[in-house]
Amino acid sequence: DAKTTQPPSMDCAEGRAANLPCNHSTISGNEYVYWYRQIHSQGPQYIIHGLKNNETNEMASLIITEDRKSSTLILPHATLRDTAVYYCIAVSSGAGSYQLTFGKGTKLSVIP
Amino acid sequence: EPEVTQTPSHQVTQMGQEVILRCVPISNHLYFYWYRQILGQKVEFLVSFYNNEISEKSEIFDDQFSVERPDGSNFTLKIRSTKLEDSAMYFCASTATGGWTEAFFGQGTRLTVV
Repeated sequence: DAKTTQPPSMDCAEGRAANLPCNHSTISGNEYVYWYRQIHSQGPQYIIHGLKNNETNEMASLIITEDRKSSTLILPHATLRDTAVYYCIAVSSGAGSYQLTFGKGTKLSVIP
Repeated sequence: EPEVTQTPSHQVTQMGQEVILRCVPISNHLYFYWYRQILGQKVEFLVSFYNNEISEKSEIFDDQFSVERPDGSNFTLKIRSTKLEDSAMYFCASTATGGWTEAFFGQGTRLTVV
């Protein structure tokens, strides 16, 4: 079972920041928090990942609490094309192959 | 941007027939994966493949399934005798190294078993 919990759905106004929360109170110290999204049954798309520090890339920012029990994915200026299911996934940092365990994610609807 | 390519995009097959789903991973990637998603359900891990052998597989990946990297570019998933419940989107993914890097997913093959 997934080690993360997310709200099933959220709405966000176009142009505003979308803040997607994720609880992962049971992840271990060597587990990264990864975010993926899936736009309308397309293949999942990598967004960002982090371990302890906050991370930012061209798509989003990831804020991880100091106790690592939760995190927030921020899409700074949501567009209609950001409407998708967003998955927060705990991934072991062990070397070798790894599998992603997808939960149900958060369905983000960006509203004009 | 590099991409994982899957063919065909849609395959319809009769129950009991064999199907082969094809994937071309990103060229310098070393780890390859198959996932599936039954309509309306979660994305589920099937198998991972590294150094020409299976490194992990899920309970779904039973004897009816097999994977192969027949040449330097293709990665295939074979279902020997399809069942109705095999109807799903099948996604191929690849990563450069295991563990810490993001996976690139293909756009999927929609398999419909009739």
